[in-house]
Amino acid sequence: SQTIHQWPATLVQPVGSPLSLECTVEGTSNPNLYWYRQAAGRGLQLLFYSVGIGQISSEVPQNLSASRPQDRQFILSSKKLLLSDSGFYLCAWTEGQGWAKNIQYFGAGTRLSVL
Amino acid sequence: DQQVKQNSPSLSVQEGRISILNCDYTNSMFDYFLWYKKYPAEGPTFLISISSIKDKNEDGRFTVFLNKSAKHLSLHIVPSQPGDSAVYFCAAQGAQKLVFGQGTRLTINP
Repeated sequence: SQTIHQWPATLVQPVGSPLSLECTVEGTSNPNLYWYRQAAGRGLQLLFYSVGIGQISSEVPQNLSASRPQDRQFILSSKKLLLSDSGFYLCAWTEGQGWAKNIQYFGAGTRLSVL
Repeated sequence: DQQVKQNSPSLSVQEGRISILNCDYTNSMFDYFLWYKKYPAEGPTFLISISSIKDKNEDGRFTVFLNKSAKHLSLHIVPSQPGDSAVYFCAAQGAQKLVFGQGTRLTINP
């Protein structure tokens, strides 16, 4: 069966420090991968998605970047965190093709607090 | 441009009664719709979906209705249980990605 791992679960970082959040998927190949952010009391904002290794689409201009160095690995990064980067970050995956591509499966999330 | 809207940020329902969560969309090209349930500090979990060629899909206590002419979908939960208390997101399938609504916080009262 397929599983998605996302870590760390919580992170407290000072303003101006770098960030690296990692997400890996097991039990499938060539998935579509997604990074979302949920700010306090808000909905899910799509940040990046990837349909293959090295292919990254950015949805919102911001202080963050994403990379996909391997088929089932998706990394969210920042060189210098801002206070506004605080939030709940979620990684998700979906099948790359077929009807199942419509259903996204989410990781447990990372709570990032920038102080 | 909010393509998927959930206009009710919260809903309170008595245990055993029906919960109805609503969602509106603007893009007529959307062809697949989903509902997710989210507990605090957890990732959303897939609940139920519906293709645009259907107007109803049922799974146990959960039923999703789609009205394409009105660009409206709804999720019915009956009977509502305390464990149903969560935030519910509707989503529409676009090109390679889902477009989510803002969510509705459902509280089931004993």
